[in-house]
Amino acid sequence: QSALTQPPSASGSPGQSVTISCTGTSDDIGGYNYVSWYQQHPGKAPKLLIFEVTKRASGVPDRFSGSKSGNTASLTVSGLQADDEGDYYCNSFAGTNNFVVFGGGTKLTVL
Amino acid sequence: QVQLQESGPGLVKPSETLSLMCTVSGGTISYHYWSWIRQPPGKGLEWIGYVLYNGNTNYNPSLRSRVTMSVDTSKNQFSLNLTSVTAADTAVYYCARHYGPVGYFNPWGQGTLVTVPS
Repeated sequence: QSALTQPPSASGSPGQSVTISCTGTSDDIGGYNYVSWYQQHPGKAPKLLIFEVTKRASGVPDRFSGSKSGNTASLTVSGLQADDEGDYYCNSFAGTNNFVVFGGGTKLTVL
Repeated sequence: QVQLQESGPGLVKPSETLSLMCTVSGGTISYHYWSWIRQPPGKGLEWIGYVLYNGNTNYNPSLRSRVTMSVDTSKNQFSLNLTSVTAADTAVYYCARHYGPVGYFNPWGQGTLVTVPS
C-alpha cells in the first residue's frame, strides 16, 4: 500500500485561509469516508483534528474543516493563526486487510 | 480522560528485538482497538498495526513478518515486539487508541524514541 500524497509545504498570512490536499486512490480515500487529519507541533505527538472526512474532534475550532472529492481529501484552515504552524497529516482506511495509510505530511508556515 | 504512556528501552542493538509497552490510564482497555504508529526522525507517520482488547491483531503488511502485538487487560497495557531491527527502525514510536478498524487515532501517547545504531 502506498502512502497518500500531500504537498510538502503550504503557507499563508495571518487571517488568510489555506487548503491542504491529500490524494489517494479508489482503494482508500475514494472508496471510504474514513479520512482523518492530524496536527503535529515540533517534538509533540500528533493531535486529531478531523475524522470521518468532515467531523471535528472535540475542542477543535471551527476554523478547521475537512472535505472530500473523489480520491482527494482536503483540510482547510481559515483565519490562520501563528499557532497553526506545524505539520499536518492525513490518513485513510485502505480496505484491503483493514489496512491504514498515512500521507507524507505537509509543513504549514504562517508568514 | 484516557491517557497513554509508552515505555521501553531507548537503544536497541541491530538484529535484536524492540519491545515497547503502552499503559492506558483514565479508562479501560476493553472494547477498544489499540495501535502502534512510528515516525522516523524528520519523516512521516507509519501505522505498524493494531491489537484489539480480545487479542486479535492486524499488522501493516510491510512489517507483518517481524511484528507481534499483545494486550494485558488486567494491567490495562498493550505491547509491541519488533524483531531483527536495523537502523531503518530508528523512530519515535507512538501508541494510540484506534477507533477501528476503519477509523482514526485519538488520543496518542507522547511517543518514545528508539534508536538502532548502524
